[in-house]
Amino acid sequence: DTEVTQTPKHLVMGMTNKKSLKCEQHMGHRAMYWYKQKAKKPPELMFVYSYEKLSINESVPSRFSPECPNSSLLNLHLHALQPEDSALYLCASSQGTWTYEQYFGPGTRLTVT
Amino acid sequence: AQTVTQSQPEMSVQEAETVTLSCTYDTSESDYYLFWYKQPPSRQMILVIRQEAYKQQNATENRFSVNFQKAAKSFSLKISDSQLGDAAMYFCAYRPRIIQGAQKLVFGQGTRLTINP
Repeated sequence: DTEVTQTPKHLVMGMTNKKSLKCEQHMGHRAMYWYKQKAKKPPELMFVYSYEKLSINESVPSRFSPECPNSSLLNLHLHALQPEDSALYLCASSQGTWTYEQYFGPGTRLTVT
Repeated sequence: AQTVTQSQPEMSVQEAETVTLSCTYDTSESDYYLFWYKQPPSRQMILVIRQEAYKQQNATENRFSVNFQKAAKSFSLKISDSQLGDAAMYFCAYRPRIIQGAQKLVFGQGTRLTINP
């Protein structure tokens, strides 16, 4: 099973809402990633978790709050977002941060109104 | 800083023909990985092929092959017998092979490939 799942597929939220994105993998991977992707652009790394600990935070605004409750699950909590935060949010996982292959989920299309 | 450059924003090819997508990169590292990812309209990023820098042999996966020129820092992707399902955005990516610590994938800007029936 080489699948990374993400829910929801689409999310529309107002600037005052609080919502969460969820990512799950059952490949035994110990590294998980959040990326943000704007249209026609490459993914931009936001966060990396290694063994359930935050390893990289790419200076992401605090209105994005990641959480890794266990080795299979990664959440991204959203609060007080801006319209410019509208994007595709991709989750990925890899066996470890030092291994080369990242598996991506299908993404959550987020629209902030 | 490492950079990846894809100089062709868009490419098109006739179905069943061969197309080559270009990628160059800049790094001072000697050991690293290079990747081609495909992102179809369904949005999911799919790993197409990978190359370890220490391997001289070019990687091949079915109809996909690479031309890896380490000295020239070039990593092109050749797609043979193009199929309609190959239509996608293709991203070239680089990652240093450092054992400890998290390492980022550095992506190029992408090449949108269209397959003409």
